[in-house]
Amino acid sequence: AQSVTQLDSQVPVFEEAPVELRCNYSSSVSVYLFWYVQYPNQGLQLLLKYLSGSTLVESINGFEAEFNKSQTSFHLRKPSVHISDTAEYFCAVSRAGGSYIPTFGRGTSLIVHP
Amino acid sequence: DAGVIQSPRHEVTEMGQEVTLRCKPISGHNSLFWYRQTMMRGLELLIYFNNNVPIDDSGMPEDRFSAKMPNASFSTLKIQPSEPRDSAVYFCASSLGFEAFFGQGTRLTVV
Repeated sequence: AQSVTQLDSQVPVFEEAPVELRCNYSSSVSVYLFWYVQYPNQGLQLLLKYLSGSTLVESINGFEAEFNKSQTSFHLRKPSVHISDTAEYFCAVSRAGGSYIPTFGRGTSLIVHP
Repeated sequence: DAGVIQSPRHEVTEMGQEVTLRCKPISGHNSLFWYRQTMMRGLELLIYFNNNVPIDDSGMPEDRFSAKMPNASFSTLKIQPSEPRDSAVYFCASSLGFEAFFGQGTRLTVV
C-alpha cells in the first residue's frame, strides 16, 4: 500500500512571495505522483502529475513540483503567489503500472494574504 | 461534458434514516470512486469501481454503507441507518487515465 504525508496543515504567505508545500510518500513499489487543488465548496482538480521522464513537472498557472526518489518527496512550489491561489492542496500517489487509484494526503491549506 | 454530477448537494437527515447519494460519472470513463472528506480524517477512499464492478471496498466503514453501480452512467452510495458520525462531504470521482475528475460533493449532516 502507498501513503502520503503532507507535513504542513496550513501555510500562510503574503502575495507575491514564494511558497513550498511539502509532500512525502511511502511505497514499496514504483509510484505516480499528483497534486490536486480544491477551491471552497468545490471538488478536487488535477494541478500537475509525474508519471515518468523529467522529474520536474509544471502546471499552466506557474506551479511546479519535483519528484525526488531518494528523498521520496514531491514538493510543490511557486515563485510568486497570488490571492487567487488561496485553496486546499492535496498530494496524491498511485501505484505505477496498475489501476489508477489515488491515495490522498491530508491536505495543506494555502492562505495568501494581501 | 458537464463533468461529474452529484446529487443532492446538501442533505440533512435525522439519525436512523436512510440516505442515498447519487453520482453520474463522465461519459466514457471506466473508473468510479467514492471518497469521504472530514476534518479529522481527510479524504478517504470508500470504494472503487472499474467497468461497473466493485474492485476495492475495503474503505467502506461498516455494513451500514453500501454502493452500487448498475450501469456505466450511474452510481449510488447508501447509508442505512445513518449516524451523526457519518456527517461529512462525500465526493464521487471518475477517470479514464491518470486523472480523477471530481464532482462538487454532497455535504451530509446527520442530526
